[in-house]
Amino acid sequence: DAGVIQSPRHEVTEMGQEVTLRCKPISGHNSLFWYRQTMMRGLELLIYFNNNVPIDDSGMPEDRFSAKMPNASFSTLKIQPSEPRDSAVYFCASRPGQAPGNYGYTFGSGTRLTVV
Amino acid sequence: SQQGEEDPQALSIQEGENATMNCSYKTSINNLQWYRQNSGRGLVHLILIRSNEREKHSGRLRVTLDTSKKSSSLLITASRAADTASYFCATIGAGSYQLTFGKGTKLSVIP
Repeated sequence: DAGVIQSPRHEVTEMGQEVTLRCKPISGHNSLFWYRQTMMRGLELLIYFNNNVPIDDSGMPEDRFSAKMPNASFSTLKIQPSEPRDSAVYFCASRPGQAPGNYGYTFGSGTRLTVV
Repeated sequence: SQQGEEDPQALSIQEGENATMNCSYKTSINNLQWYRQNSGRGLVHLILIRSNEREKHSGRLRVTLDTSKKSSSLLITASRAADTASYFCATIGAGSYQLTFGKGTKLSVIP
């Protein structure tokens, strides 16, 4: 398996622009998570999907952030409009079964977002 | 909020030495996990220990869990330069699904 695939790896955009991050989870994993990593706040959970359904989006910073999972093999995280404070590394992770369970998470390589 | 807190924040050792990292957490857990992150890369799952387990081994890794003290330790034996990375503990709270990470220990193994 190719693992969790995220695109793009790097994104530089101007403030106010729309940004879309993409994730392909591991086939058969029915839980998907979006995390954000910054030096100041560490790793923060943004949203959790189970069987393509958003279970908890309480970590989404504000209405500018939205996430979708139209099918079991694809998810997007969208920021509109983007702001400099959104600059971070965004990770997608997947795991089998329904949380909590006793499985480790498989992380993608992340998207490094820079908003100027 | 951060559930796990790693100690030390940074650790520098010579190749061949053992490295020990500690993690403390605040609430009851379902399980505790350790992850490694190489610079500029994603996190890699190393080991998971359930709340009813006290010790677990995987290759050169040994993890202990003391639920009475709400703490865990990760021991890497016979360290190698390739072990240089940040190590994170993460917990899933009892009755929760959310995997919450600490801020990590940055390990440097000097050849």
